[in-house]
Amino acid sequence: GAGVSQTPSNKVTEKGKYVELRCDPISGHTALYWYRQSLGQGPEFLIYFQGTGAADDSGLPNDRFFAVRPEGSVSTLKIQRTERGDSAVYLCASSLTGHTQYFGPGTRLTVL
Amino acid sequence: AQKITQTQPGMFVQEKEAVTLDCTYDTSDPSYGLFWYKQPSSGEMIFLIYQGSYDQQNATEGRYSLNFQKARKSANLVISASQLGDSAMYFCAMRENHQGGSEKLVFGKGTKLTVNP
Repeated sequence: GAGVSQTPSNKVTEKGKYVELRCDPISGHTALYWYRQSLGQGPEFLIYFQGTGAADDSGLPNDRFFAVRPEGSVSTLKIQRTERGDSAVYLCASSLTGHTQYFGPGTRLTVL
Repeated sequence: AQKITQTQPGMFVQEKEAVTLDCTYDTSDPSYGLFWYKQPSSGEMIFLIYQGSYDQQNATEGRYSLNFQKARKSANLVISASQLGDSAMYFCAMRENHQGGSEKLVFGKGTKLTVNP
């Protein structure tokens, strides 16, 4: 079946702009996760959704970052007033609760 | 706090030989899960193998096996009969399983494996 999909695959923006990154999880997966991977590092947790609600948002670095999952399926990660330090690959994963997380291909964000 | 340590930034192995990638972890939770993921140059994280803290036997999946030593808090990945396509970054990750807790994964910094022909 279809895996996790993420759009866009690449996003280039200017400092100060607003961006939205989209994640479409595996059908039927109740849990959805966002991670950020900087160059040469492992992924770092940002936020975890169980259904429509954010069960753990402790990894969001500051209030410029926000994520939603209004219908319990697709999720959007929103970054306001982007900074050069936000440049990274943003990974989305989904799972059945308590089971293995399966990752999408990621969105490479570059902030100029 | 959870912590994953991968001490080998890079490893080299000859094709058809076995290789062990090291991973140590730290947690105060008695119930946890350990995962290994492969990340080729294309960037996608591919799940390889899972070991639960209460599992009595070491996990195996095809050419992958996990050498789980609970007392030493280590969860090394063993790849047998290496293939050129195994060249990639490998990440060890942990999830604590306490009831009502987050399902988040904590990752190590990864090991870059190169398989030589």
